Amino acid sequence: QVQLQESGPGLVRPSGTLSLTCAVSGGSISSSSGRWWSWVRQPPGKGLEWIGEIHHSGSTNYNPSLESRVTMSVDKSKNQFSLNLSSVTAADTAVYYCARGEGYKWDVWGQGTLVTVSS
Amino acid sequence: QSALTQPASVSGSPGQSITISCTGTSSDVGGYNYVSWYQHHPGKAPKLKIYEVSNRPSGVSNRFSGSKSGNTASLTISGLQAEDEADYYCSSYTSSSIYVFGTGTKVTVL
Repeated sequence: QVQLQESGPGLVRPSGTLSLTCAVSGGSISSSSGRWWSWVRQPPGKGLEWIGEIHHSGSTNYNPSLESRVTMSVDKSKNQFSLNLSSVTAADTAVYYCARGEGYKWDVWGQGTLVTVSS
Repeated sequence: QSALTQPASVSGSPGQSITISCTGTSSDVGGYNYVSWYQHHPGKAPKLKIYEVSNRPSGVSNRFSGSKSGNTASLTISGLQAEDEADYYCSSYTSSSIYVFGTGTKVTVL
């Protein structure tokens, strides 16, 4: 059974870069050509927001509202994928989730990690 | 890409049925049968309940059902139970090759 686990700093300074990693266990990140790996976030008291997705080939799709600040990468040797969000502000404070995309749906999710942007 | 519109809250008594709507446009909900629904208990990982408008993943109770008409998708929970109290989000693939979530609905079991 595939499991996902987010990790990274819980506190990021304003104007800095938020960096998170999602470790995939119980299966290979490259196991299916149709599978994409996503990041989703939820600011406190607000709804879910799709940040973007990456394929094990390295192809990406990003939310246009964040595209200028987002970079995603995949490390097949470590069976993990990552999110970098630059020039962060307090508005980027959120619980960040990684999720497995399987045919236009997310069927496996990480538990989420809270990232606070504050000086 | 604007968020899909959901009612902020829906409530019902145990055993009743409730329906949550999810309204988008012809560029998302109306244009694709790629609407999915997620149950989210605070502090936990979201859980897939319905995919491709009306399909249930293995292990999801048949009390959960989905449908779509035009630009509006709906999630119905029948035989409401206390454990169904949670936030629910719809999501749709869009013509921009990205995904959009709904605004979220808090379900309260009275």
